[in-house]
Amino acid sequence: DTAVSQTPKYLVTQMGNDKSIKCEQNLGHDTMYWYKQDSKKFLKIMFSYNNKELIINETVPNRFSPKSPDKAHLNLHINSLELGDSAVYFCASSQEGTQYFGPGTRLTVT
Amino acid sequence: AQSVTQLDSQVPVFEEAPVELRCNYSSSVSVYLFWYVQYPNQGLQLLLKYLSGSTLVESINGFEAEFNKSQTSFHLRKPSVHISDTAEYFCAVARHSGAGSYQLTFGKGTKLSVIP
Repeated sequence: DTAVSQTPKYLVTQMGNDKSIKCEQNLGHDTMYWYKQDSKKFLKIMFSYNNKELIINETVPNRFSPKSPDKAHLNLHINSLELGDSAVYFCASSQEGTQYFGPGTRLTVT
Repeated sequence: AQSVTQLDSQVPVFEEAPVELRCNYSSSVSVYLFWYVQYPNQGLQLLLKYLSGSTLVESINGFEAEFNKSQTSFHLRKPSVHISDTAEYFCAVARHSGAGSYQLTFGKGTKLSVIP
């Protein structure tokens, strides 16, 4: 019954590795997002997709690449992980302006 | 461009006392306004929203917020808090970015600590 789900919940990896975070929503929404929450709890949008089309692409390093295989899924792939990528990553989906968030993925880069 | 200012980073309050968490925003276009709550080690939950219509909006757990266009504010209030309200509260504004996408800009959050 989970509306927006993410996997994994925790991800610990070493610098230089490549990792992916998956997101799925069962709300039937057309738009999905990725946000980053830093160690000070500040939330910032990274990307948004509408029906598999990239709409918002904030100033995020190109090591981050979102992929949307269909409108219910939005995955985030990160290449060459750096210490500064450690954060909580939230997926969200929206319909008519209201966004609903997933539980988050805590990424720790060592 | 849009921005959100949450004036208090931490608000301690005794149980059953009233609380107000302040939020001011700036935007050159019409926006939607939201409050989200984040309990420790959990995700963001939508608390309440203002899209249009009545400027006073309420949540199911006793919180309310009033949209004040002239003061560009959307303060969150509760007349009597419970221990379970201890959490981080985020104010956010959303503007349409095209093709059904809305860009949410968050404030830095206010940590509400309810003291028994």
